Amino acid sequence: AQTVTQSQPEMSVQEAETVTLSCTYDTSESDYYLFWYKQPPSRQMILVIRQEAYKQQNATENRFSVNFQKAAKSFSLKISDSQLGDAAMYFCAYRVSGATNKLIFGTGTLLAVQP
Amino acid sequence: DTEVTQTPKHLVMGMTNKKSLKCEQHMGHRAMYWYKQKAKKPPELMFVYSYEKLSINESVPSRFSPECPNSSLLNLHLHALQPEDSALYLCASSRPRTGANTEAFFGQGTRLTVV
Repeated sequence: AQTVTQSQPEMSVQEAETVTLSCTYDTSESDYYLFWYKQPPSRQMILVIRQEAYKQQNATENRFSVNFQKAAKSFSLKISDSQLGDAAMYFCAYRVSGATNKLIFGTGTLLAVQP
Repeated sequence: DTEVTQTPKHLVMGMTNKKSLKCEQHMGHRAMYWYKQKAKKPPELMFVYSYEKLSINESVPSRFSPECPNSSLLNLHLHALQPEDSALYLCASSRPRTGANTEAFFGQGTRLTVV
């Protein structure tokens, strides 16, 4: 079975600094998708960034980028120039390609941004 | 329109009540999901519908009954719930096939309290 692990329950970063959130996963599949979702106190789950496993190039979305290491099954999220609005719970998620449509979440990392 | 709408936002129900949660999307997504989320925990998958057919039931108790009346709507019927069923219930939708834009879009959730 696929599992997703986030080893940092809480992280803190100064405003305008850079922070990296860790995620590892375990799978025997070769084709899959990885995501980072943000859940602020408003509780809506918002997609931050996605990565297709068949793509070697790391995904980037403005201040957010990933370091995808397929062999190591690692998928970390880097937030540059952190802003107060980045404070939220961040979940790493794994989706198997194909018909199951199953989306599995890690345990989450609560990010605090200090002014 | 990238919105998933859930109603109601809050629900308090007694253990003998019958209630329903509703979810609607107009993105043409043919996969829809129900997740249960306890405080400070990741979402736990309950059900997946693909092309209006139930494709995954994660061994959810029968007091939760999903229904997908058409490709835009997803319901979760609740009956004889227990206090431990109190949680945030999230609905999501996505394209069911692999390829680009495979991410799931989430609603804001229904905060359910069972008394």
